[in-house]
Amino acid sequence: SQQGEEDPQALSIQEGENATMNCSYKTSINNLQWYRQNSGRGLVHLILIRSNEREKHSGRLRVTLDTSKKSSSLLITASRAADTASYFCATYRAQKLVFGQGTRLTINP
Amino acid sequence: GAVVSQHPSWVICKSGTSVKIECRSLDFQATTMFWYRQFPKQSLMLMATSNEGSKATYEQGVEKDKFLINHASLTLSTLTVTSAHPEDSSFYICSASDPSGSRRDTQYFGPGTRLTVL
Repeated sequence: SQQGEEDPQALSIQEGENATMNCSYKTSINNLQWYRQNSGRGLVHLILIRSNEREKHSGRLRVTLDTSKKSSSLLITASRAADTASYFCATYRAQKLVFGQGTRLTINP
Repeated sequence: GAVVSQHPSWVICKSGTSVKIECRSLDFQATTMFWYRQFPKQSLMLMATSNEGSKATYEQGVEKDKFLINHASLTLSTLTVTSAHPEDSSFYICSASDPSGSRRDTQYFGPGTRLTVL
């Protein structure tokens, strides 16, 4: 079973706009990670946020974590066509990485 | 750094044949590798955890006799789909963790192998 639930399942925006994806999880965590997957390719690790962190930045990515609500969000600012991909949150459960259902992001030129 | 490769990237086989997929960590030693399966427009589902020098640990519902995993060295794990059937057609992805330093909580993924069974 999946640890995380993500919303929206699909998101389509215009290039230059910001994209926000949300992830909720069920059990306590040490950290939460976000991955990107281009169509038919492997996953690329984007960012890891630890349970004692509330916000983390990496380039155009901003991740927040609210452990009281068991939720996280990924914000991509100034989106580009190359950002088109599926984005997954993941947490560890019993030493295994468990993925959310993912958000399919489409950036329209 | 932390590159994981998979071979082949895609394979088409006839029903009843066996297919071997290799997963290699290129620039680090991976004591643990993971095998995932992903159906179209779905998330990754963990199939098994592969530990170097010991038997793999399979997730519930995954047939160990059908999906043979061997982790013979710190840089190579193989997944063999035995007697493949059309329902085994899927995208198979491996990952490896680097136990050293600050990267130990991160898994590095291979590019995946698309298996099509006719």
